Amino acid sequence: DTGVSQDPRHKITKRGQNVTFRCDPISEHNRLYWYRQTLGQGPEFLTYFQNEAQLEKSRLLSDRFSAERPKGSFSTLEIQRTEQGDSAMYLCASSLRAGGPGEQFFGPGTRLTVL
Amino acid sequence: DAKTTQPTSMDCAEGRAANLPCNHSTISGNEYVYWYRQIHSQGPQYIIHGLKNNETNEMASLIITEDRKSSTLILPHATLRDTAVYYCIVRVASNSGYSTLTFGKGTMLLVSP
Repeated sequence: DTGVSQDPRHKITKRGQNVTFRCDPISEHNRLYWYRQTLGQGPEFLTYFQNEAQLEKSRLLSDRFSAERPKGSFSTLEIQRTEQGDSAMYLCASSLRAGGPGEQFFGPGTRLTVL
Repeated sequence: DAKTTQPTSMDCAEGRAANLPCNHSTISGNEYVYWYRQIHSQGPQYIIHGLKNNETNEMASLIITEDRKSSTLILPHATLRDTAVYYCIVRVASNSGYSTLTFGKGTMLLVSP
């Protein structure tokens, strides 16, 4: 399977703990996106990378959130001092085209539950 | 990016065409119309996109009105596996930059036997 993969698929943690999620984009895709989706809502944009550079961050991305994409390949999203409001599905997507209407390919998501 | 309006839910009988409407009356000339769908517990899946001409691919057809203020996604022969939330998104796309996807709540399409 050469699609976008995410790990883990599910994560349960206690409030105050740190968690880290990983996203492996489709190879050769230079753009990588993180979204968050809560129950009953559509996905909300968090941040975007072009290669290793983080080019945009949503105001939803508080200072407890940090994302990296070393070497422009896989990406990690870390949440420090988790809160119950962080419970959501975290989705990663990648796209190839540097410009124009390139579609985004989404992974299956990581479902986070903060107790 | 322009805002879209979609019905909250729709029903369709298996084997019939599903026609999902979307209003985007404030769309700009450089904004494309995209459709994604999300099957329960999966990530969104790209379906189709268009600028002003009607488009067709193996999954669906996209009909955009001449004034571009609305569009319809057509699934010609809906199956049970097409049950999903369908998102209509308008998005700026240019060679000088990019635009993220702004999802609304979408339309929940239920295909019944």
